Amino acid sequence: SQKIEQNSEALNIQEGKTATLTCNYTNYSPAYLQWYRQDPGRGPVFLLLIRENEKEKRKERLKVTFDTTLKQSLFHITASQPADSATYLCALARDDKIIFGKGTRLHILP
Amino acid sequence: DTAVSQTPKYLVTQMGNDKSIKCEQNLGHDTMYWYKQDSKKFLKIMFSYNNKELIINETVPNRFSPKSPDKAHLNLHINSLELGDSAVYFCASSQDGVSTDTQYFGPGTRLTVL
Repeated sequence: SQKIEQNSEALNIQEGKTATLTCNYTNYSPAYLQWYRQDPGRGPVFLLLIRENEKEKRKERLKVTFDTTLKQSLFHITASQPADSATYLCALARDDKIIFGKGTRLHILP
Repeated sequence: DTAVSQTPKYLVTQMGNDKSIKCEQNLGHDTMYWYKQDSKKFLKIMFSYNNKELIINETVPNRFSPKSPDKAHLNLHINSLELGDSAVYFCASSQDGVSTDTQYFGPGTRLTVL
């Protein structure tokens, strides 16, 4: 069955450092990979989308890579700030199907 | 203005009851969705719907039924509520399909079945 794993349930990073979150998947060939941010008690907020034929996508302090051979995406936040603390979800999609990972809770320590 | 809104925010009810959750989007999007986020935080799509087609996740019991009075609204009706239905339900919308387009999520409705 299709499976998504996000590297850890929680990740603590010192302010100013780069936070790197991992999304691994098996038994699936997504055409698109999306990253979302979710704050407690709120709905997910879309951050970035990367296509299967793209290796990397950037948006301000965010960078996403997508390696279809390794079946892995890395999500980087550079110059991290306490306001970046949240849960980050990856999602794999093809056609009308989308599956989400459980998320990684990121804590940026001041 | 809130892009995707849901009511109610909290819903507490007894097992066996029938309840509805309402969703409205003012983004002019063609496609709307319902998601369920369980206690383990997994977010799973239940339905996607546009004017032309309803796509149902096969794992969703038929006690759940989406109803769309118009393009801007997608309500979720749940019959004969069970304890396992307790979760947070999110409505979302996008201009195009779930794969290729940004989805905008509502704030969620926390359903508790006693």
